[in-house]
Amino acid sequence: QLQLQESGSGLVKPSQTLFLTCAVSGGSISSGAYSWTWIRQPPGKGLEWIGYMYQSGSTYYNPSLKSRVTISVDRSKNQFSLKLTSVSAADTAVYYCARGSANWGYFDYWGQGTLVPVSS
Amino acid sequence: EIVLTQSPGTLSLSPGERATLSCRASQSVSSSYLAWYQQKPGQAPRLLIYAASSRATGIPDRFSGSGSGTDFTLTISRLEPEDFAVYYCQQYGSSPPITFGQGTRLEIK
Repeated sequence: QLQLQESGSGLVKPSQTLFLTCAVSGGSISSGAYSWTWIRQPPGKGLEWIGYMYQSGSTYYNPSLKSRVTISVDRSKNQFSLKLTSVSAADTAVYYCARGSANWGYFDYWGQGTLVPVSS
Repeated sequence: EIVLTQSPGTLSLSPGERATLSCRASQSVSSSYLAWYQQKPGQAPRLLIYAASSRATGIPDRFSGSGSGTDFTLTISRLEPEDFAVYYCQQYGSSPPITFGQGTRLEIK
């Protein structure tokens, strides 16, 4: 059974950088036709796709966040990461990592999510 | 950008009743690329339906999806107590490739 687990930044101050890692277990991040994805959800609001990386290394980002987002992968550790720069209170959210189908675009495995508050 | 609009915002029903949730797209979406998720408080979303009408692994057959083009529907044939949650539709297409609807809250009447 595939499992994903987020870890990383707790409280982040405005203008600083948010950094999260998603550890994948029960399967290899290097196999299969999948996207490795970050999605966020501000408290009490809906879901927002941040971006994903394909196995090939190609990355795709939400245009609204593109200038501030980097998704990278560490295949030796079977994990992938999110870096979001110049954060503001609007970036306060639960951040989820997920596995997506590269062909069909749905997300079938999700991490439990981690709340990242942005506050001074 | 393809905008997904879900209706109603909140649906109040009783266990045993039938629920019909709507997802309307601002542009045509390939049926292959429309999914539905269920989210309960404090939990990650769970995939219910992909390719508009295919149930994900382990999803009960009381959940069904239908639709094409710009209009899609999630139907729960007979509501169980555990079905009361928030439901999201999601499409995969052109830039940005992924968008979600704003959600429908299904609450107990």
